[in-house]
Amino acid sequence: DTAVSQTPKYLVTQMGNDKSIKCEQNLGHDTMYWYKQDSKKFLKIMFSYNNKELIINETVPNRFSPKSPDKAHLNLHINSLELGDSAVYFCASSFLAGGPRNTQYFGPGTRLTVL
Amino acid sequence: DAKTTQPNSMESNEEEPVHLPCNHSTISGTDYIHWYRQLPSQGPEYVIHGLTSNVNNRMASLAIAEDRKSSTLILHRATLRDAAVYYCILTPPPTGANNLFFGTGTRLTVIP
Repeated sequence: DTAVSQTPKYLVTQMGNDKSIKCEQNLGHDTMYWYKQDSKKFLKIMFSYNNKELIINETVPNRFSPKSPDKAHLNLHINSLELGDSAVYFCASSFLAGGPRNTQYFGPGTRLTVL
Repeated sequence: DAKTTQPNSMESNEEEPVHLPCNHSTISGTDYIHWYRQLPSQGPEYVIHGLTSNVNNRMASLAIAEDRKSSTLILHRATLRDAAVYYCILTPPPTGANNLFFGTGTRLTVIP
């Protein structure tokens, strides 16, 4: 059984389009995250949600909007895609923020390519 | 946020032990030390974590210096599957915000 799953695995699109990436976890966690890994392999947190509420937004452009319909899902919608958005996006989940229960479980990633 | 320093790369022969160092001289008294690794084309995966005492699990051991300013991840017998980028990350206490700041990590190459 997959713990954290993401769809799609690959996404190729044109500049200016709007796209979404979906994430689901079946671990019973109450906190979910989105990370971005750029071409230089730097992995940076973008958002985190706890019980469907945003708790971290690391200065991400407004074009990125996370949506959490329930605590098992955290989708990432991106408007007006730009070339610089090309990256691998990872979803993760954990129990409540901080401390030893902060072990995060990551999905397989979605490789987004903007042409 | 407290920072960590790791060597960019290390090599190990297969079936030999590997000691991956991490310096965190500005660690606070309540920061936990986490290690994650990222295998090629995969998402990061949790390896081990600790606070003050040395820790062992099925994947690795974590040796924490007495002053907590450094730690070492120990893989007892490296396999080809252990080739990955290893990240040493400090995390706040339970009441803090939940940020995982990944540095550049150590790229471990395992030589058959």
